[in-house]
Amino acid sequence: QSALTQPASVSGSPGQSITISCTGPTSDVGGYSYVSWYQQHPGKAPKLMIYDVSNRPSGVSNRFSGSKSGNTASLTISGLQAEDEADYYCSSYTSSSVWVFGGGTKLTVL
Amino acid sequence: EVQLVESGGGLVKPGGSLRLSCEASGFTFRSYNINWVRQAPGKGLEWVSSISSSSSYIYYADSVKGRFTISRDNAKNSLYLQMNSLRAEDTAVYYCARDLGGTWAFEIWGQGTMVTVSS
Repeated sequence: QSALTQPASVSGSPGQSITISCTGPTSDVGGYSYVSWYQQHPGKAPKLMIYDVSNRPSGVSNRFSGSKSGNTASLTISGLQAEDEADYYCSSYTSSSVWVFGGGTKLTVL
Repeated sequence: EVQLVESGGGLVKPGGSLRLSCEASGFTFRSYNINWVRQAPGKGLEWVSSISSSSSYIYYADSVKGRFTISRDNAKNSLYLQMNSLRAEDTAVYYCARDLGGTWAFEIWGQGTMVTVSS
């Protein structure tokens, strides 16, 4: 049950696009389409932003999109806004019927 | 309003026990799988345990297996986590999180309850 690998931090200016990667073994990210992404502001509970690799829950802005290639999933945020500054976590269902999270990525909007 | 509210956190000594509760409202509790996810201070998220809608399937992270027990009472719309043999590394905010339904993602989260294990 090792954590998925995410960059510790990314940054971008308002209006720009950024991408956060999430890498794991074939037993989770590479083998399943059950990758999800969560946004967490300081002191708040996480919020689901993307599920099943690329699907957005109702109410989530279409500026957020997800994709996957091989063992790496990605979250792209376009048209960066100040309120996007938060921590982002990926998660995947695994072949062991358990879930694993990435270490988290701190997004800074410059 | 769809809501999950955790309770039962607090300060406990190493080796001690604590029981967390999560009360659900605003949705058909018995139809969803529910999970516990924790976050140590300043650290990332860690999945702890999950229980299927009818309690038929239960899973644990290796870090808590044999020490924690998840359960639910669908008649009371409640989820529980019995935590025994607590260690300092169990110190965290514990969230209950409901599945999206039909797939594997955590859609609804509670506000969390803090557990501190310290002498």
